[in-house]
Amino acid sequence: AQSVSQHNHHVILSEAASLELGCNYSYGGTVNLFWYVQYPGQHLQLLLKYFSGDPLVKGIKGFEAEFIKSKFSFNLRKPSVQWSDTAEYFCAVTRWGGADGLTFGKGTHLIIQP
Amino acid sequence: DVKVTQSSRYLVKRTGEKVFLECVQDMDHENMFWYRQDPGLGLRLIYFSYDVKMKEKGDIPEGYSVSREKKERFSLILESASTNQTSMYLCASSFRQGGKETQYFGPGTRLLVL
Repeated sequence: AQSVSQHNHHVILSEAASLELGCNYSYGGTVNLFWYVQYPGQHLQLLLKYFSGDPLVKGIKGFEAEFIKSKFSFNLRKPSVQWSDTAEYFCAVTRWGGADGLTFGKGTHLIIQP
Repeated sequence: DVKVTQSSRYLVKRTGEKVFLECVQDMDHENMFWYRQDPGLGLRLIYFSYDVKMKEKGDIPEGYSVSREKKERFSLILESASTNQTSMYLCASSFRQGGKETQYFGPGTRLLVL
């Protein structure tokens, strides 16, 4: 079974700071990787996904993530955060071709101070 | 746009009651999922279904059952609600193309069991 580890449970940044949220997974085979975001009071939304090809993927709202296969990592980045990025961020993985649902990390609560 | 709807945003039930949570998707997706979300634990998979009348246990199926009589509808049943089932319940649906699969989430049902 796969597992996902998010390094930071709470992150506080000032506006315009750069962001990097760590995510590592454990699974020996090919995977699909995702970052989801949950804004306060809203439902879970897909931020970006990686299936194959270019390991640097771009998502909505200026976010990007890089898949490093040798490190089993899929870190989320944004060069300059905004107050509206305050949210909970979840990294998730599923087996390529698997039919057994997503495995999520425990989430990172990001607070952006104006 | 994919739309996943859940019958209630908030529910309050008493210990021992039978509880039904309904989920409907309008994109003809084969796969549907139920997760629960708890602070500090992320999302955990309860049950999923990849076809009508088919169901598979996820990571935490104890105390729950599911029903999928129609492709668009997936119900989560708490046979006898207990206080430790107080949680946010999220439904998701997906389709698979080759090895690629993206899950889309509903708004969630926040259940309080007294």
